[in-house]
Amino acid sequence: EVQLLESGGGLVQPGGSLRLSCAASGFTFSSYAMSWVRQAPGKGLEWVSTISGSGDSTYYYYADSVKGRFTISRDNSKNTLYLQMNSLRADDTAVYYCAKRWPGYYSPLDYWGQGTLVTVSS
Amino acid sequence: EIVMTQSPATLSVSPGERATLSCRASQSVSSNLAWYQQKPGQAPRLLIYGASTRVTGIPARFSGSGSGTEFTLTISSLQSEDFAVYYCQQYNKWPPLTFGGGTKVEIK
Repeated sequence: EVQLLESGGGLVQPGGSLRLSCAASGFTFSSYAMSWVRQAPGKGLEWVSTISGSGDSTYYYYADSVKGRFTISRDNSKNTLYLQMNSLRADDTAVYYCAKRWPGYYSPLDYWGQGTLVTVSS
Repeated sequence: EIVMTQSPATLSVSPGERATLSCRASQSVSSNLAWYQQKPGQAPRLLIYGASTRVTGIPARFSGSGSGTEFTLTISSLQSEDFAVYYCQQYNKWPPLTFGGGTKVEIK
């Protein structure tokens, strides 16, 4: 059974940093691209970032709203996805979900974690 | 960036009735479109991909159709567990991956 478990969320002041983790199990983690998607309170879904898996050519993509501030990475030996978030702003407040993608360019997000809440406030 | 527009924002339906949700893309996404269901306090769940292919385990009352710029999710006979928010998402041309704003299906 595929499981994705996010952690690392919390309250942080504007301008601060936070690192989110997503522990994966139930599938060959290294083979699959992984994404972060966020949802501000009461709002819709917003894609944040995607990192390739070994089944793809290497890539790291970011939404314009986080480019230069957020960094996605993965440790395949630990089956863990990360999102390093720097220079946080109030509009980064959201539940952050990690999600798995199939190999290849044309693929949906087939499994999602339960999310971790990030609150940016003074 | 491909903009996805869903309508209506809220759909009030009685249990047992049919619900029809629409999703429009600002440019063609071919059939590279997915539908997700999200219940309060839960993560989104993939229902349909490739515009019309149901994920294993999703009931047959859920069906997707369309291609290009116009798509529809139909729930043939609403059950109590189907009341939720539904999002469409294109993965034809990215980054960015883009989602529609969602349609909330509520009990009439």
